[in-house]
Amino acid sequence: ILNVEQSPQSLHVQEGDSTNFTCSFPSSNFYALHWYRWETAKSPEALFVMTLNGDEKKKGRISATLNTKEGYSYLYIKGSQPEDSATYLCAFVIQTGANNLFFGTGTRLTVIP
Amino acid sequence: EPEVTQTPSHQVTQMGQEVILRCVPISNHLYFYWYRQILGQKVEFLVSFYNNEISEKSEIFDDQFSVERPDGSNFTLKIRSTKLEDSAMYFCASTLLTGPRQPQHFGDGTRLSIL
Repeated sequence: ILNVEQSPQSLHVQEGDSTNFTCSFPSSNFYALHWYRWETAKSPEALFVMTLNGDEKKKGRISATLNTKEGYSYLYIKGSQPEDSATYLCAFVIQTGANNLFFGTGTRLTVIP
Repeated sequence: EPEVTQTPSHQVTQMGQEVILRCVPISNHLYFYWYRQILGQKVEFLVSFYNNEISEKSEIFDDQFSVERPDGSNFTLKIRSTKLEDSAMYFCASTLLTGPRQPQHFGDGTRLSIL
């Protein structure tokens, strides 16, 4: 069983604050790391896919970094807005040829206006 | 933007009954997946499907489960004789291409409640 963990489990921040959360994954047999944003009653939406150690990706106020050697990825949100409130899921792809995702537990972010 | 659609949004079924969950993947996508999330737990991979065959399946996907692409648009998950522990949110996903860099496009899910 692949252990993909996210922390914290939940987070409340004030509008305008910047925040970050962590995804930890096995450093062996790494193939790719996905981040998804999942709003309540909607479908998970892909944010980033990262494959190389040291990768950094950015989409508006959201960015992510990847360290495959130590097995972690950070997701950063700059100047949080209420519409950023969602669960953020990371998912690990193992190097077996299959492309199924092994998900973390998720970080539930609430941005308070 | 094209979407993956799932029906029904909520299905309530008696234990032991068969249930079919339906998905319409994005029209030109070729690779299809089912995942589930039991309340309070992680999202778990069930099965992947390509070219009318199962590509990969997890330990959860036992003989009670089957998948089918009955026509050019639908992708279904059937649970033959449901158990209480099958109660979960079931998500369908699709990708155009294969490969670890392909972000998966998810539907809104079907909440399955077994009584």
